[in-house]
Amino acid sequence: GAVVSQHPSWVICKSGTSVKIECRSLDFQATTMFWYRQFPKQSLMLMATSNEGSKATYEQGVEKDKFLINHASLTLSTLTVTSAHPEDSSFYICSASGTGYLTGYTFGSGTRLTVV
Amino acid sequence: GNSVTQMEGPVTLSEEAFLTINCTYTATGYPSLFWYVQYPGEGLQLLLKATKADDKGSNKGFEATYRKETTSFHLEKGSVQVSDSAVYFCALSDPPGTASKLTFGTGTRLQVTL
Repeated sequence: GAVVSQHPSWVICKSGTSVKIECRSLDFQATTMFWYRQFPKQSLMLMATSNEGSKATYEQGVEKDKFLINHASLTLSTLTVTSAHPEDSSFYICSASGTGYLTGYTFGSGTRLTVV
Repeated sequence: GNSVTQMEGPVTLSEEAFLTINCTYTATGYPSLFWYVQYPGEGLQLLLKATKADDKGSNKGFEATYRKETTSFHLEKGSVQVSDSAVYFCALSDPPGTASKLTFGTGTRLQVTL
């Protein structure tokens, strides 16, 4: 079945630094990727939607200059948290879907970001 | 706009008990409906889905029926196991199709004890 690999699974960084999270579709072409943020014991909040080769569409309230999303190929999307602060600490999850892939969305295993 | 409402958790059941997690939705169109499961520290896994009225999605003993008249997609399992302990999310995509974003409910935590 479809597999999405997300790395790293956890990362700790210092306040003010940037962190990059990768999301790869391993056995299908992901024409659309979604990035979510999840706070403890809460639901998933969609941050942005990206289509391969296009600029990401951000949800209202999400700072596009802080959360940089790149979807340069059909198998890779990246989320970079720039100038991270402790309030950016969260669980980030990507999801991918592809043309002709009929069973729905495939999620990565998530990245736990802790900013200290 | 679209929204999904799930019953509040946590739900605590003994092993082999019957499970129902209620889910109702509001959509402007004719959505596809999903149940996802999240185990601690992991991403989401698709549990089952339905794309049209009266469709029944099923997987691993879990079932849910797309009820257009009541705008519901309740999750059921006849006999839960300890390994079913997780958080369950109801979701919809509208318009249906994998280029549309998913709208999630708040999630329901299930705890199954021996």
